[in-house]
Amino acid sequence: ETGVTQTPRHLVMGMTNKKSLKCEQHLGHNAMYWYKQSAKKPLELMFVYNFKEQTENNSVPSRFSPECPNSSHLFLHLHTLQPEDSALYLCASSQGIAGPNTEAFFGQGTRLTVV
Amino acid sequence: DAKTTQPTSMDCAEGRAANLPCNHSTISGNEYVYWYRQIHSQGPQYIIHGLKNNETNEMASLIITEDRKSSTLILPHATLRDTAVYYCIVSRWDNTDKLIFGTGTRLQVFP
Repeated sequence: ETGVTQTPRHLVMGMTNKKSLKCEQHLGHNAMYWYKQSAKKPLELMFVYNFKEQTENNSVPSRFSPECPNSSHLFLHLHTLQPEDSALYLCASSQGIAGPNTEAFFGQGTRLTVV
Repeated sequence: DAKTTQPTSMDCAEGRAANLPCNHSTISGNEYVYWYRQIHSQGPQYIIHGLKNNETNEMASLIITEDRKSSTLILPHATLRDTAVYYCIVSRWDNTDKLIFGTGTRLQVFP
C-alpha cells in the first residue's frame, strides 16, 4: 500500500466510449502525475500537476484530458481512444518542489484495453 | 536531465548480493541519483536516492563514485521477491516532475 489509489484496476472500453480513470492520494502531496506504460516500453510521462496547476503536457493527444480538482485527486478522462492506447496507466504523487524528500509514490495502475 | 545507462538484464542467486550498475557521466552538480524498481505489472516503487555520499536504508545501499559519473545499487541479500526491473534516474531534487524512466535493468533472482 503506497497511499496512492487508482480506480478502476482494469478497464475495457470501445473506441467510441467515454471513461475516466481516477487517482487519489492521502499523503499530503502537492504534485501528481500520469504515466503511460505500453507493453515492452519504458514509462512515458504524460501530465504533471503542481498545486492543482498543470505544469507539464508531454505532447499527449487531446483524446486524453486530465483534471485535477484538488491536490488529492487526479482524473484522466478518455474519449475516442484507439487500440494502440491500450496500456497500463500509472498515477504518482510527490511532495513537489517543497523540499528534499521528493520521492514519488505510485499507484498500482489501471490496465486499459481499447477494443 | 542527465541520461543514464544500465545493463539490460542481470541474474543473481538468492541470498547473494545483487550489484546493479548505472552510468550517468553527464550528471550535473545539483542532480540526485534516484533508484526505483517495478515488479511485474505493478507501479514503480521508490528505493533510495543520493547526491554524492553513499546512502543506506532498509531496502538497499547506494554507492556513488567520487566523480559522480556512476553509481551502484546494492541489494545485500537478494530474495525471489526482488525480481523486478530496476530504474536509475537522475533528476534535480526540486524538479522531480521530470522523473523520466529509461528501460532499466531486469534483475532475475533465482533459487
